[in-house]
Amino acid sequence: GNSVTQMEGPVTLSEEAFLTINCTYTATGYPSLFWYVQYPGEGLQLLLKATKADDKGSNKGFEATYRKETTSFHLEKGSVQVSDSAVYFCALTWDMGRRALTFGSGTRLQVQP
Amino acid sequence: DAGVTQSPTHLIKTRGQQVTLRCSPKSGHDTVSWYQQALGQGPQFIFQYYEEEERQRGNFPDRFSGHQFPNYSSELNVNALLLGDSALYLCASSPMSQAKQETQYFGPGTRLLVL
Repeated sequence: GNSVTQMEGPVTLSEEAFLTINCTYTATGYPSLFWYVQYPGEGLQLLLKATKADDKGSNKGFEATYRKETTSFHLEKGSVQVSDSAVYFCALTWDMGRRALTFGSGTRLQVQP
Repeated sequence: DAGVTQSPTHLIKTRGQQVTLRCSPKSGHDTVSWYQQALGQGPQFIFQYYEEEERQRGNFPDRFSGHQFPNYSSELNVNALLLGDSALYLCASSPMSQAKQETQYFGPGTRLLVL
């Protein structure tokens, strides 16, 4: 079956530090890949996506590249802010919104001033 | 343009009771998916509705059922509640049309506590 594995958190960083959150997946074929973010007490917000191999998704300074050879979609940001503190979920699906999303277990990021 | 809305925001029930959660999709979306997010976990897919029919279903028992109305809004019903049903229930909407390459947009969720 399909699965997504994320690095365990929490990840604690100082403001302006470099962020990497690892995500690898197991799936048949080439799914679309996503990063969602969940701020405290809120639902999920789409952060970025990539629909085919070597695509780079980016938004709000965050980036992730779809690596078919390593089945990975690691999230990176060059300089984190306190406001980036949240839980980040890696996910995959086929046919964009027409199929169920499979999520990882989430990685909590805590950014200290 | 309102996004995905859900009601109620919080709910407390006791074991054995039944609960109904409601969701209104984002404007222009005709497909509604429901997810269960236990504390500290990622969301798990329950089922998806399109054209008032269940289109896909995850690994959840028959106690979980749903409905979609002609205006695309949806309900999630859970019967015979168990303590383990305590979770955040998320609704997501998306367009089914192949011409619209949009992913799923999530509502704020309903937090259910079963005592």
